[in-house]
Amino acid sequence: SQKIEQNSEALNIQEGKTATLTCNYTNYSPAYLQWYRQDPGRGPVFLLLIRENEKEKRKERLKVTFDTTLKQSLFHITASQPADSATYLCAESPSGNTPLVFGKGTRLSVIA
Amino acid sequence: NAGVMQNPRHLVRRRGQEARLRCSPMKGHSHVYWYRQLPEEGLKFMVYLQKENIIDESGMPKERFSAEFPKEGPSILRIQQVVRGDSAAYFCASSPPSGDGELFFGEGSRLTVL
Repeated sequence: SQKIEQNSEALNIQEGKTATLTCNYTNYSPAYLQWYRQDPGRGPVFLLLIRENEKEKRKERLKVTFDTTLKQSLFHITASQPADSATYLCAESPSGNTPLVFGKGTRLSVIA
Repeated sequence: NAGVMQNPRHLVRRRGQEARLRCSPMKGHSHVYWYRQLPEEGLKFMVYLQKENIIDESGMPKERFSAEFPKEGPSILRIQQVVRGDSAAYFCASSPPSGDGELFFGEGSRLTVL
């Protein structure tokens, strides 16, 4: 069965730097990879989706890449701010409206 | 446009009691998903429903757990005879009939079993 692995449990970076989070999948190439943000005690919030045939997607300070050769997606936050501190979840789906499989998440701390 | 509404936000039950968690999807959304999250664990899929139909319940334990999404009213996740291991945050999410599958989550219901 498909596994989604987010290699870092926690990542600390300095304010203003670029945070890079990694998501690897083990088996088939998913149709979609999605990234969510989760704050403590809150529900996840959708951030970005990238399709299998897309190499890169951007939204404001966020950028997601999808490398089917490496079976990997990278999530970048440029000019990071303390308000970006949260847990970021990667999720995959073989097709639309198929239940998403989530990774365990990476807890990002941006230090002022 | 209200988001996904879950209630109760917090629920305390003693072992052997029943827990009922409710979820009202976003307006216009016909797909509902339930996920469970344990401390320091990822979100685990439980069940996927459309109105009056269970589409996929592969992640839901066969015993004590049930889910429904009636024609009228919220989706309900029911846990009978709760045990301590059922203590977790239960999240409901909804998605529109067409789309790329992005989910809109509620704030969760936190179940504590004493």
